[in-house]
Amino acid sequence: AQSVAQPEDQVNVAEGNPLTVKCTYSVSGNPYLFWYVQYPNRGLQFLLKYITGDNLVKGSYGFEAEFNKSQTSFHLKKPSALVSDSALYFCAVRDGGNSGYALNFGKGTSLLVTP
Amino acid sequence: DVKVTQSSRYLVKRTGEKVFLECVQDMDHENMFWYRQDPGLGLRLIYFSYDVKMKEKGDIPEGYSVSREKKERFSLILESASTNQTSMYLCASTGDRVLNQPQHFGDGTRLSIL
Repeated sequence: AQSVAQPEDQVNVAEGNPLTVKCTYSVSGNPYLFWYVQYPNRGLQFLLKYITGDNLVKGSYGFEAEFNKSQTSFHLKKPSALVSDSALYFCAVRDGGNSGYALNFGKGTSLLVTP
Repeated sequence: DVKVTQSSRYLVKRTGEKVFLECVQDMDHENMFWYRQDPGLGLRLIYFSYDVKMKEKGDIPEGYSVSREKKERFSLILESASTNQTSMYLCASTGDRVLNQPQHFGDGTRLSIL
């Protein structure tokens, strides 16, 4: 079975400060990990993914994420937050050892960046 | 550029009606998915399809069915709509045999069942 947890319902950050949105996962094989962002009344947009290789993954809009196998985490980070980063963020996992097609999504974390 | 189009952004239907939600993708993707999104529950997979006329149940298929007659189109059907199916419905697609590629999402259909 595969699952992902986002322990924070909401994260508040002041503009210009670094931000972190947390994600932990559980899979039996190798994890394929994804971050998506959702703006109001829109679908999900892909930000970045980890499949293999470097533990630090860089993605769209200045976001990056660090894969930590020992802590089974894949936290999303940005060095300097913008008000326009305010949105709903989803972490997702697929078990690379599983032939199934589906992703498991976390419940989402609402990010609020204040001016 | 990748495009997944859901036919309606907002839809209001009555209890007991048969409801069709349509999704079309222009990327020649084999794999298509239907999710529902509810506050505090995230995205839950209803059904997915990995080829024309093929379908697989997701985590919450009860009360739903799907149709994939053409590669580009994946329809979600609420056989007899109920109020607990009021939700945001999201369609997604991804390419074949490259399942580490991201899913591309439509903008969603916000469905209200009265």
